Amino acid sequence: KQEVTQIPAALSVPEGENLVLNCSFTDSAIYNLQWFRQDPGKGLTSLLLIQSSQREQTSGRLNASLDKSSGRSTLYIAASQPGDSATYLCAVRYGGSQGNLIFGKGTKLSVKP
Amino acid sequence: EAGVTQFPSHSVIEKGQTVTLRCDPISGHDNLYWYRRVMGKEIKFLLHFVKESKQDESGMPNNRFLAERTGGTYSTLKVQPAELEDSGVYFCASSQSGIGYTFGSGTRLTVV
Repeated sequence: KQEVTQIPAALSVPEGENLVLNCSFTDSAIYNLQWFRQDPGKGLTSLLLIQSSQREQTSGRLNASLDKSSGRSTLYIAASQPGDSATYLCAVRYGGSQGNLIFGKGTKLSVKP
Repeated sequence: EAGVTQFPSHSVIEKGQTVTLRCDPISGHDNLYWYRRVMGKEIKFLLHFVKESKQDESGMPNNRFLAERTGGTYSTLKVQPAELEDSGVYFCASSQSGIGYTFGSGTRLTVV
């Protein structure tokens, strides 16, 4: 069964800290992996997408890595800010561009001023 | 460019009633997806349209759920009759290439 697990479920850090969110998946034959952010009552905002042939993607203070062989991805957030507070979701796609996403339950991040 | 629009944003209905959710994808996006998150669980796939055709409906929970996409534009998801376990947030997403998704804000459905 294809499953995605995110650890930790919740994380609280002081402003300015660098932090890492973890995502693991049971089947390494992925097509791509996507990190999303969800704010309360809002939709999902795509942060980074990593194709199966890539090792990492960067956008501003965010860096996502992918290790297919070990079934893991990490989202690194540098110099965290209160505005980063949200739920971060990892989603894996199998079966090519027509496959659907399999989500983890998310990590709820709180950055304290 | 306008994003993916869903309405209503919230719906509260009684068990046994019918509810129809609507999704307007980004113009020109052939791929349209429905996902659902029930309380305490992860977001799960319901179905996928390519234009007006159902590409994959393996995630639809049962025959009380009916999805349509008229003319390959907007899509509706009807629940009839609604049950308590149908409560959750229903998300719609669209994609042009099938690679990256754009999600809507979701419809929060509460069945009482």
